[in-house]
Amino acid sequence: ILNVEQSPQSLHVQEGDSTNFTCSFPSSNFYALHWYRWETAKSPEALFVMTLNGDEKKKGRISATLNTKEGYSYLYIKGSQPEDSATYLCALNSGNTPLVFGKGTRLSVIA
Amino acid sequence: DAGITQSPRHKVTETGTPVTLRCHQTENHRYMYWYRQDPGHGLRLIHYSYGVKDTDKGEVSDGYSVSRSKTEDFLLTLESATSSQTSVYFCAASYGNTIYFGEGSWLTVV
Repeated sequence: ILNVEQSPQSLHVQEGDSTNFTCSFPSSNFYALHWYRWETAKSPEALFVMTLNGDEKKKGRISATLNTKEGYSYLYIKGSQPEDSATYLCALNSGNTPLVFGKGTRLSVIA
Repeated sequence: DAGITQSPRHKVTETGTPVTLRCHQTENHRYMYWYRQDPGHGLRLIHYSYGVKDTDKGEVSDGYSVSRSKTEDFLLTLESATSSQTSVYFCAASYGNTIYFGEGSWLTVV
């Protein structure tokens, strides 16, 4: 079973602060790295799917980078807003295997 | 949106009773999945399916069975529910690298 680690487990930031968190994974047999945003009582929302080493993706104030050789991805949020409060999930699939999720980083943005 | 609906959305049941959760998709995706979400554990895979009548176990399959007799439906059954199966259950379906989730089924076993 693949081991996907996310850190920190939780994070509290002030409105307007920029923040980032990490997803670590085994670099062998890498296929694709996914980031999801999940709010309680809703289904996880896909943010990014990343497959290439060095990939950088951006969606509004949220961006992500990928390093497949060293086995990590960073998710950045610029100018955090209260509506960014959610759990951010990282997931990995390797070839034809189903997604394996990390435990998530729970972000709270304080107004 | 892959048109994924789950039913029931909320259920309270007694220990020892059988429970079936249904996942229905409208986009003809080949792969479907059942995950459970618990505090401190993220999403953990229970079972998945890669075609009609083709299923395999995930990380936390004990106490669960699945069936897929049609492309559009993937059923998750708890043969004899236990309190440790109180959780939020998410169904998902995938197309290429994109996975779409249903809105979750909240199950409480008392």
